[in-house]
Amino acid sequence: DVKVTQSSRYLVKRTGEKVFLECVQDMDHENMFWYRQDPGLGLRLIYFSYDVKMKEKGDIPEGYSVSREKKERFSLILESASTNQTSMYLCASSFPGGQGIWPLHFGNGTRLTVT
Amino acid sequence: QQQVKQSPQSLIVQKGGISIINCAYENTAFDYFPWYQQFPGKGPALLIAIRPDVSEKKEGRFTISFNKSAKQFSLHIMDSQPGDSATYFCAAYSGAGSYQLTFGKGTKLSVIP
Repeated sequence: DVKVTQSSRYLVKRTGEKVFLECVQDMDHENMFWYRQDPGLGLRLIYFSYDVKMKEKGDIPEGYSVSREKKERFSLILESASTNQTSMYLCASSFPGGQGIWPLHFGNGTRLTVT
Repeated sequence: QQQVKQSPQSLIVQKGGISIINCAYENTAFDYFPWYQQFPGKGPALLIAIRPDVSEKKEGRFTISFNKSAKQFSLHIMDSQPGDSATYFCAAYSGAGSYQLTFGKGTKLSVIP
C-alpha cells in the first residue's frame, strides 16, 4: 500500500514564524502535491512538483513556498505564518502523468493553527 | 470562478436509503471525473471514477451517472450504511490542461441508523 506520511498531525505556531510542513512518500512517485482544506472551500492546490527540484504553482501559492530535494520528500514552507493560514494541509503523491491517469494518494493531514 | 459545482454541501440519509450527490462542470475539455471519499481524520482516497465515453459506472453500492450533454455527473450510494458517513469530493480533469484536478467543495454525508 502507498504510504504518504506527514510529519506532524497538529501544529501550533505564532504569527510571523517560519513553518515547515514535511511529507514523505514510499512509493517512488514522481508527482507530489500540497493542498489546503478549509470548510466550505474544499481542496485547493497550493503547489505541486513533478520531479526533484521542480515545482509549479497551484491555485493559491501566495505566502507559501516548497522544496523538493529528494524524490520521496516534499516540504511546504510558510515564510511568515499568518492567522489566515490556519488550516488543514494535505500532502499527496501520484505516478507521473496528469492526475487523470493515476489516482492521488493523500496523507492524513497536518492541522496548523497560527495564533 | 468555480469550475466544478457540487451539491448539496451536507446530506443526512437514513440507513438503507439512497444518497445522491451532484456535480456540474463548465469546461468541456474535462475528460476524467473521479470521486474521492474522506473519513474524519484521514486524507481523501479515490472511490470511483468515470470517463465521458460511458454514461454509468458501478462498483458495489457506488454508482456514477454521467450526463455529457448536461455537463453533470452524480454519485449514488445505494443501501447507505453508517460506515459510508464521510465527506465526498467530486473532481474533474482535462488531459489537455495542467496536472491539476479541479475539486468540488465537498459534501458531508451522515448516514443515521
